[in-house]
Amino acid sequence: RKEVEQDPGPFNVPEGATVAFNCTYSNSASQSFFWYRQDCRKEPKLLMSVYSSGNEDGRFTAQLNRASQYISLLIRDSKLSDSATYLCVVNSGDTGFQKLVFGTGTRLLVSP
Amino acid sequence: SAVISQKPSRDICQRGTSLTIQCQVDSQVTMMFWYRQQPGQSLTLIATANQGSEATYESGFVIDKFPISRPNLTFSTLTVSNMSPEDSSIYLCSFYSPVGALNTEAFFGQGTRLTVV
Repeated sequence: RKEVEQDPGPFNVPEGATVAFNCTYSNSASQSFFWYRQDCRKEPKLLMSVYSSGNEDGRFTAQLNRASQYISLLIRDSKLSDSATYLCVVNSGDTGFQKLVFGTGTRLLVSP
Repeated sequence: SAVISQKPSRDICQRGTSLTIQCQVDSQVTMMFWYRQQPGQSLTLIATANQGSEATYESGFVIDKFPISRPNLTFSTLTVSNMSPEDSSIYLCSFYSPVGALNTEAFFGQGTRLTVV
């Protein structure tokens, strides 16, 4: 079983739609969680961290369910510029040591 | 935040040869990381490079195939040795920067797209 699993997609949605991505992780000791965005032929960049209480950044909402070892990302009012691959990332390192484990990514295509 | 520069951005190499990828950070960082991203797959950590000590390799990666140098706190190289077509991939260097007390953000170089023919 992969340490971080995501549906690879692609998710094809029209502009303005709401879309949700899910991610599961296997290491129950994982301490921190992130969503990264990777544009075609570019390096990944941090989109947002995921906190236990859930957090929102504009049109983006991230949720964490530790009991189910499940992370989600919700994008509201999708824009063409949201088209990218979204990587679920888990910090599986021990205390004081960071080791980021990346999911395969979920590809989003937003069309006019 | 620090800027990380990676080169070459791409290369096409003959099988059996070696390629050295360089990463330069504009500030000192304790650890640098080297990842591989094969088409349609996730980023896979190859090794962690500490200045002044031997790199730590992940399962499935060995020093003879992927020797790493870390001569100072701002620079690292990864060599892909004795290349075969299976080594065709994107290679990325990275460092982690703390975000608050608990979180870490990874910054990546622009990536090296390697094709072995």
